[in-house]
Amino acid sequence: EAQVTQNPRYLITVTGKKLTVTCSQNMNHEYMSWYRQDPGLGLRQIYYSMNVEVTDKGDVPEGYKVSRKEKRNFPLILESPSPNQTSLYFCASSSRTEYSNQPQHFGDGTRLSIL
Amino acid sequence: AQSVTQLDSHVSVSEGTPVLLRCNYSSSYSPSLFWYVQHPNKGLQLLLKYTSAATLVKGINGFEAEFKKSETSFHLTKPSAHMSDAAEYFCVVSDLFGNTGKLIFGQGTTLQVKP
Repeated sequence: EAQVTQNPRYLITVTGKKLTVTCSQNMNHEYMSWYRQDPGLGLRQIYYSMNVEVTDKGDVPEGYKVSRKEKRNFPLILESPSPNQTSLYFCASSSRTEYSNQPQHFGDGTRLSIL
Repeated sequence: AQSVTQLDSHVSVSEGTPVLLRCNYSSSYSPSLFWYVQHPNKGLQLLLKYTSAATLVKGINGFEAEFKKSETSFHLTKPSAHMSDAAEYFCVVSDLFGNTGKLIFGQGTTLQVKP
């Protein structure tokens, strides 16, 4: 089954404690991205990756890091989490051809609470 | 800059009655538009997409949307609501500038379906 898998689904942690949210897709997609969802704001892009070793900032990258060492994985790293990063996070992927026309496949989301 | 505006944050209908979720877009180019649905504790699922092939787009679960360039609208409709349609719906435009693959989300519309 084609899917995007995120882990963990839920996490409560404390300020400053480094954490990583993993994302894996089994569709051989070149393009992957991370979004955060906040009430009344819809989803906003954090980082994206066009392919292995190619990443770039989205609209709200502050406080986050990413890496793309393998095509299927795109982890999101919070080096020193702060309460304003409490949010619902989504990983998404799509095939490379004509990015603008391709729908993106989303994971089920990771709800992070930073105390 | 491209943007989408969902005109209603909350819509309530009775089961069996029509659904109308309104979306206006702003784009200097011919846009790629999508509707996604998010059920509680789930990721986003693509309902339908418009990419200039036809102005009336049919999607899954009986939903359809009509692209009206003169009105810059892309409203989502369904003839008869079902209880399982209760969810949050996002109107989305694909960012065509810089070929980033970014999706620009509206603020979302919560659809309530009453028995």
